[in-house]
Amino acid sequence: DTAVSQTPKYLVTQMGNDKSIKCEQNLGHDTMYWYKQDSKKFLKIMFSYNNKELIINETVPNRFSPKSPDKAHLNLHINSLELGDSAVYFCASSQRKTGGFQETQYFGPGTRLLVL
Amino acid sequence: AQTVTQSQPEMSVQEAETVTLSCTYDTSESDYYLFWYKQPPSRQMILVIRQEAYKQQNATENRFSVNFQKAAKSFSLKISDSQLGDAAMYFCAYRSASGANSKLTFGKGITLSVRP
Repeated sequence: DTAVSQTPKYLVTQMGNDKSIKCEQNLGHDTMYWYKQDSKKFLKIMFSYNNKELIINETVPNRFSPKSPDKAHLNLHINSLELGDSAVYFCASSQRKTGGFQETQYFGPGTRLLVL
Repeated sequence: AQTVTQSQPEMSVQEAETVTLSCTYDTSESDYYLFWYKQPPSRQMILVIRQEAYKQQNATENRFSVNFQKAAKSFSLKISDSQLGDAAMYFCAYRSASGANSKLTFGKGITLSVRP
């Protein structure tokens, strides 16, 4: 009954490969996010979707492509992986209330990606 | 752009004692939200406490309370009766109240250790 789940939890791959991380939330939220936590533990927003529509797209290489098949899922596909992509990727979700205000964001357990 | 600063990288507290974690932020907005998230070694991001900028009253959640000074743009977290399970990395985060900009901006985090 995990609220926000991510698969896989660990991902080890070679440089140049393409990989995907999946995220699902069962909270009934309409907004989902991807954050990246680097080796220094710094967390930064990458993308956000509201009802399957991209609303936040920070300065992220276009090798990263989010996809939201429905409002309960937000996947992250990464092409041509590089060493610098090694990080922990967190998915989060929240609910947009009346007036456009967003409720608190709840995070998934994270996916640790290691590129060799 | 908003920034969040946590200037202390590490702190230590004796079990059962009280500790205060500092956070300052910079914004030109008048309406926003502030959060403290806890990240234990399990890597899970756990919401500790949340404060709405329009509320003058400081938020409290059991042993956790904040000292919100809007004019000084300061948002410190006080942990009373510290427990071993409080040992974790703590992140201060800012979010605009504007519905279009729902991303969280994080500080660099502070590592809290609890001495038995």
